[in-house]
Amino acid sequence: SQKIEQNSEALNIQEGKTATLTCNYTNYSPAYLQWYRQDPGRGPVFLLLIRENEKEKRKERLKVTFDTTLKQSLFHITASQPADSATYLCALDLTYKYIFGTGTRLKVLA
Amino acid sequence: DGGITQSPKYLFRKEGQNVTLSCEQNLNHDAMYWYRQDPGQGLRLIYYSQIVNDFQKGDIAEGYSVSREKKESFPLTVTSAQKNPTAFYLCASSIIAGGRDTQYFGPGTRLTVL
Repeated sequence: SQKIEQNSEALNIQEGKTATLTCNYTNYSPAYLQWYRQDPGRGPVFLLLIRENEKEKRKERLKVTFDTTLKQSLFHITASQPADSATYLCALDLTYKYIFGTGTRLKVLA
Repeated sequence: DGGITQSPKYLFRKEGQNVTLSCEQNLNHDAMYWYRQDPGQGLRLIYYSQIVNDFQKGDIAEGYSVSREKKESFPLTVTSAQKNPTAFYLCASSIIAGGRDTQYFGPGTRLTVL
């Protein structure tokens, strides 16, 4: 069956450390993969998009990797801050529609 | 300010009633989407529209209906046929359908069936 899994429902890390979130998928062949941030009670906000022919993408403290052989994307937040606490969603771009993972709730402890 | 608006923010419905959720965008985007989010679950696609007067069912369309008479508007009706409608509903838009583009989300409507 087709599914997307994000490594854990919740992740707690200490401020200043690097947070690594995982997105694994099966039976899809997306050309693009996106990451979103969602705060409680609000709509998701776009963070990064990576193409299938890109291995890595960076934006400030954020880094995304995309391994189409492993069918996996990793999302890193370096020098994490309490303000980074939120739920992070990965989304597969399947032409005309998107499929979202269940999300990982990140909490950065001061 | 450009963006997507959803109204109302909170909506209460009695069982057996139809209810319509509003979604408006002034971003001049062609594509619009409706998602449902339940606790502990990701976003599930209800309906999407690539262009005015055209829309397709998503993964969980049963019990829902939509219209796309104007580019900027994509209302969602939750009918009495929807067995478990209590959820957080999110509307989104993108410049074009077909990916390669980010989605912009509205603030959401939380629907509760009493």
